[in-house]
Formats: sequence, structure tokens, C-alpha cells
Amino acid sequence: DAGVTQSPTHLIKTRGQQVTLRCSPKSGHDTVSWYQQALGQGPQFIFQYYEEEERQRGNFPDRFSGHQFPNYSSELNVNALLLGDSALYLCASSPGQIGEQFFGPGTRLTVL
Amino acid sequence: GIQVEQSPPDLILQEGANSTLRCNFSDSVNNLQWFHQNPWGQLINLFYIPSGTKQNGRLSATTVATERYSLLYISSSQTTDSGVYFCAVGLNTGGFKTIFGAGTRLFVKA
Repeated sequence: DAGVTQSPTHLIKTRGQQVTLRCSPKSGHDTVSWYQQALGQGPQFIFQYYEEEERQRGNFPDRFSGHQFPNYSSELNVNALLLGDSALYLCASSPGQIGEQFFGPGTRLTVL
Repeated sequence: GIQVEQSPPDLILQEGANSTLRCNFSDSVNNLQWFHQNPWGQLINLFYIPSGTKQNGRLSATTVATERYSLLYISSSQTTDSGVYFCAVGLNTGGFKTIFGAGTRLFVKA
């Protein structure tokens, strides 16, 4: 049983560009949450997707958007990249909105 | 919003020592998880423990939801226990979100 997978592993972009990160949940999980982790800090909640809808959002601007597909996989899109968007982006899946979360290995984004 | 505080922020142990990590939260929560983040950034599940006590080998955890804290016990520490330990609480605010503490950075010396 594959766990949570994320792609790509690493990504380098320049300011102003747009990026799309992808996440496949653990088998049997229907909920995906996204987090941003800056160096030396704890993960910060971006948003959660359930039944293909954004159900809850953290304190992130509209430049951060997402999507969940019928197979429960998800994408995180970030527009107009800023230097401060450089971080490790983590995806977690769970069985339902309040179930135990399991994390993928993350995508390390560098904005130059 | 809810505050999640972890203590101590940093901890250095000699191999074989025991330790207790604490997580305090300022409001009622629906669930609580403990994670270990390895040097490559992978978050490893330790416990899903909204309340009560659980044990897994040398690790155990206790959550007292009514008093808004959780404890993670590490016994007979090993160098492989080094890393960052995070507490994360889940709460329903119309939708459901998870708030992480700042973590406890543990280094176990051989």
C-alpha cells in the first residue's frame, strides 16, 4: 500500500512565476490538507479539501489555490511567486476531515 | 485563534536517558497528533491521541483534553531519536484545520 506521494521533489522558480504541486493520498483516504513549512518552523496549514471542495483555509492569500479531483488527488497552485514562498510544501491525507493525518515527503520550493 | 505551545524548545540527552516533551493548547480540540520529523523533512506519525494514554515501544503519550495538554515520553533514548518532535491539534471552526506547535528539537548524544 503506497503512502502519500508528492511531486515534484524539488523545484526552482523565479519571482512572479506560477507553480503547481501535486499530491496523491494514501489508499482509502478522501481528504487532503496542504501545509507550508519554512526553515526552522512548524508546518502552517494552508487549506483542506474534502469532496472536491475547499473546506477550510488558513491565513494564506488568494495567490494560493487548490483543487481536488474525483480520485481524491490534489493540486496546490501558487501564483505570482515571492521570495518568501520558498519553503517545504507538505501534503497530508486522512480518512475524513478529522481523521489521523499521514504526510507525504514534501516538495521543496526555492524561489529566486 | 488557538495557541499551541511546546516545551522545551531544545533538548540534549545522553543516549539511554529518558525525557518528557509537553504540548499545551489554549482551546478545546477535536484531535491531537505527535510527529517526529527526520532530517530529510519527512513527518513520521507517532501517536493519534485526542485523549487518554497510548504506548508504542519506548514511546508513550498522554493527552488530558480537559486540562488542555499532552505529554510525549521517550524512554532509553537512542541517537536515532534525534530530530524535531511536533504536536499538532485539529479543531472544527466551521471547517476543520490543524495547528502545529513550534516543535521540540531533540539531540541524543552517543
